[in-house]
Amino acid sequence: GQQVMQIPQYQHVQEGEDFTTYCNSSTTLSNIQWYKQRPGGHPVFLIQLVKSGEVKKQKRLTFQFGEAKKNSSLHITATQTTDVGTYFCAASGSARQLTFGSGTQLTVLP
Amino acid sequence: DAGVIQSPRHEVTEMGQEVTLRCKPISGHNSLFWYRQTMMRGLELLIYFNNNVPIDDSGMPEDRFSAKMPNASFSTLKIQPSEPRDSAVYFCASSFGRGGYNEKLFFGSGTQLSVL
Repeated sequence: GQQVMQIPQYQHVQEGEDFTTYCNSSTTLSNIQWYKQRPGGHPVFLIQLVKSGEVKKQKRLTFQFGEAKKNSSLHITATQTTDVGTYFCAASGSARQLTFGSGTQLTVLP
Repeated sequence: DAGVIQSPRHEVTEMGQEVTLRCKPISGHNSLFWYRQTMMRGLELLIYFNNNVPIDDSGMPEDRFSAKMPNASFSTLKIQPSEPRDSAVYFCASSFGRGGYNEKLFFGSGTQLSVL
């Protein structure tokens, strides 16, 4: 299936700092989805991006889809302890099946 | 809606035993997915059904794994015989649609399986 590389694997930030996770592919993606999984929980859908260069915002979260549709990012402004969890991108390419990235585990230090 | 319901939440079994995981998708959803999550391999799609029919089982590890969906409101994932390397969290997810790449997935709470 479609391979997506997600970085970083881990990120520790002080509460109030910003956080960004990146998802990269060597091939063009049809779309990309982002999920959040709290510790001990299950993945929860956050958003889907479909268009080249698309930017969507959800409160302090900003999602971007690259112009070439080969990469995406999730940026959190002024992190809070409630942001703790693992953020996954999930993408599909020619295979038309979702493949999940390895996730970025975010720790927010109070 | 109660969401996707999985049972049991935790399962501890001995190597060689049969394990059956259960899932009830969200009512009205016609696609159902089984995922496995481990530290080493992340989230892997095992199999998915659309309108109760298995569409893609290429992710099923081997013949010890089997999945069924006898009706729109119930699916099982069976491992027989189980092995320690099967230890993982198994998630069931459902979506409304044909199981395509652009559908929002709703995940259940998962079954934590430990094979000793």
